[in-house]
Amino acid sequence: AQSVAQPEDQVNVAEGNPLTVKCTYSVSGNPYLFWYVQYPNRGLQFLLKYITGDNLVKGSYGFEAEFNKSQTSFHLKKPSALVSDSALYFCALGTGGFKTIFGAGTRLFVKA
Amino acid sequence: NAGVTQTPKFRILKIGQSMTLQCAQDMNHNYMYWYRQDPGMGLKLIYYSVGAGITDKGEVPNGYNVSRSTTEDFPLRLELAAPSQTSVYFCASSSSYNEQFFGPGTRLTVL
Repeated sequence: AQSVAQPEDQVNVAEGNPLTVKCTYSVSGNPYLFWYVQYPNRGLQFLLKYITGDNLVKGSYGFEAEFNKSQTSFHLKKPSALVSDSALYFCALGTGGFKTIFGAGTRLFVKA
Repeated sequence: NAGVTQTPKFRILKIGQSMTLQCAQDMNHNYMYWYRQDPGMGLKLIYYSVGAGITDKGEVPNGYNVSRSTTEDFPLRLELAAPSQTSVYFCASSSSYNEQFFGPGTRLTVL
């Protein structure tokens, strides 16, 4: 069965420190993986995606994600967190070319 | 480009009332989706469409209906509203294998 998991409900980090938001997946075949961010009272916004190619994917707002096939993970990272990065982050797995399975979300809190 | 637009932004319904949530996109995307997001939860797929005239059920379709007469529009109909349908509803669109673009959402309360 295809699935995506975000093992942490919340991640707390101090401003200026590196951040990691974790995501693992299960799929038969090659995965299509996405990260989205949701700010309060807004829709989801696309951050980055992995379809094929380099395992390190760079996206919007200085975020990047590392695809690890052996560990079936796609963790979101940023070298230096900003208070404005505080939001809800969703990992997503593309299936069947158009449908997407979303993780439950991880709330990131960056403290000044 | 307006992207994905949704109306209304907010709505309060009484139990048993009906309403239509409007969604439109101007990116010529074939794929469109309706999700609901309950407080503190992720997204659940209600219905999706792969093109005009073609729709299919998602994870939680009961109590909802959709139609797709044009590429641009994908309205969601709620019949006989129930408190369990209190949620935030998001419409999204995409082209195949690519990221989805989301509308700003409709916050619906059923009392």
